[in-house]
Amino acid sequence: EDKVVQSPLSLVVHEGDTVTLNCSYEVTNFRSLLWYKQEKKAPTFLFMLTSSGIEKKSGRLSSILDKKELFSILNITATQTGDSAIYLCAVDTGTASKLTFGTGTRLQVTL
Amino acid sequence: SAVISQKPSRDICQRGTSLTIQCQVDSQVTMMFWYRQQPGQSLTLIATANQGSEATYESGFVIDKFPISRPNLTFSTLTVSNMSPEDSSIYLCSAFHLYNEQFFGPGTRLTVL
Repeated sequence: EDKVVQSPLSLVVHEGDTVTLNCSYEVTNFRSLLWYKQEKKAPTFLFMLTSSGIEKKSGRLSSILDKKELFSILNITATQTGDSAIYLCAVDTGTASKLTFGTGTRLQVTL
Repeated sequence: SAVISQKPSRDICQRGTSLTIQCQVDSQVTMMFWYRQQPGQSLTLIATANQGSEATYESGFVIDKFPISRPNLTFSTLTVSNMSPEDSSIYLCSAFHLYNEQFFGPGTRLTVL
């Protein structure tokens, strides 16, 4: 059974801190790994990673994939209260493009 | 990126009734999906909405309970039938777009009393 595990489950940091969120996976087939930010209902797409070692960056957020060790990290630097959300990691196993989601990491950024 | 809308955004329903959720994409997409997110949990795929044929359901989900339609490449509906309080969830549709990115609709928050 395909499995995606995220850690930590929750995290509280102060504004300005840097955080690293982890995502490991065990799947039979791998096509890509996706990160989403979920604030209310809808997950918002952040990154899609397909190749090892290539960092994707968007502002203060960055992510990288290690296909040998089967994990990805999402970094957020200089966190702001607006970064407070649940961050979801999902793997596209290439089977009809279905996504298998991790349980998410709930990030709270305090003043 | 694709823009996806869903209706209704939320609803409160009585046990035993049915609700149909609509999902509209602003461009033609190859694949559309329906997910459920129960309180405090992550997203679980219900089914893949296939255009012109029956939906493909994941283990634990059946057509009688969650009938799905997809009459064209931009629109799909999910019906939650004979609802019980356990069906209270956020229901999300997603579309598989160019470059293998999946985008989500704004979600429908369903509460069953």
